[in-house]
Amino acid sequence: GAVVSQHPSRVICKSGTSVKIECRSLDFQATTMFWYRQFPKQSLMLMATSNEGSKATYEQGVEKDKFLINHASLTLSTLTVTSAHPEDSSFYICSAPLRDTEAFFGQGTRLTVV
Amino acid sequence: GQNIDQPTEMTATEGAIVQINCTYQTSGFNGLFWYQQHAGEAPTFLSYNVLDGLEEKGRFSSFLSRSKGYSYLLLKELQMKDSASYLCAAMDSNYQLIWGAGTKLIIKP
Repeated sequence: GAVVSQHPSRVICKSGTSVKIECRSLDFQATTMFWYRQFPKQSLMLMATSNEGSKATYEQGVEKDKFLINHASLTLSTLTVTSAHPEDSSFYICSAPLRDTEAFFGQGTRLTVV
Repeated sequence: GQNIDQPTEMTATEGAIVQINCTYQTSGFNGLFWYQQHAGEAPTFLSYNVLDGLEEKGRFSSFLSRSKGYSYLLLKELQMKDSASYLCAAMDSNYQLIWGAGTKLIIKP
C-alpha cells in the first residue's frame, strides 16, 4: 500500500540551530502534504499545508519564517525548524492524502531542543 | 465554531467489546475518520465514513449518523495490542481535518 516516509524519527539539537525534517511519498505523487505538530496527550494540530510548486499555506499562529516548508517535488516536502528553542520540542508528523478518503502519515519526528 | 468531542480515556477487558463515541460540529462535512495512535508513533488510518451506517472491517467497525453529528468506533475481541489512543477527525467543507483530542484505551487482562 501507499507509504509516507518521514526522516529523521528522532533528533536532538542545540538551541539556536536549525533542523530539517523530510517527508516522502514512496509510491504515489502528492501535490499536497500536511504538517502537524502534537504536544503530549494532545490532539494533532495542523501547522501548514505544503503545495508542490507553490508557497505553503500556514495556519493562524504558525510562524512561517520559523517553520520553513519546501515542496520541491511531487514526492518530497521538507519542514525546517529554524533557530530552534526548547519550546519547539514536540512531535512533528507529516501526512499525504492519497484520495479524499484516506491520508497516510509519516512515522513522525520527535524533536528535542536542548 | 468547529468542535470534536470524544472521551479522554476508557478501560476495557481483553476479549471484550468497546465502543468509542465521537460527536462533531463542523462547517460543512466531507467525512469522518478514525485513526489509531500508539504512544510515540504516528497515527494509522482505521476507517472513513461519509454515508450514514455501519462500516465493518475485521474486528473494527465504524458508524456514522450525519443528522446527529455522531460516530462511534467499535472494537471487538479486544487484544492487548489494541491499547492505544483513538483519534476521531471530521473533514470540513474545505477538506481540512478537524481533530479530536483522542481517547486513550486501556486494555486489562
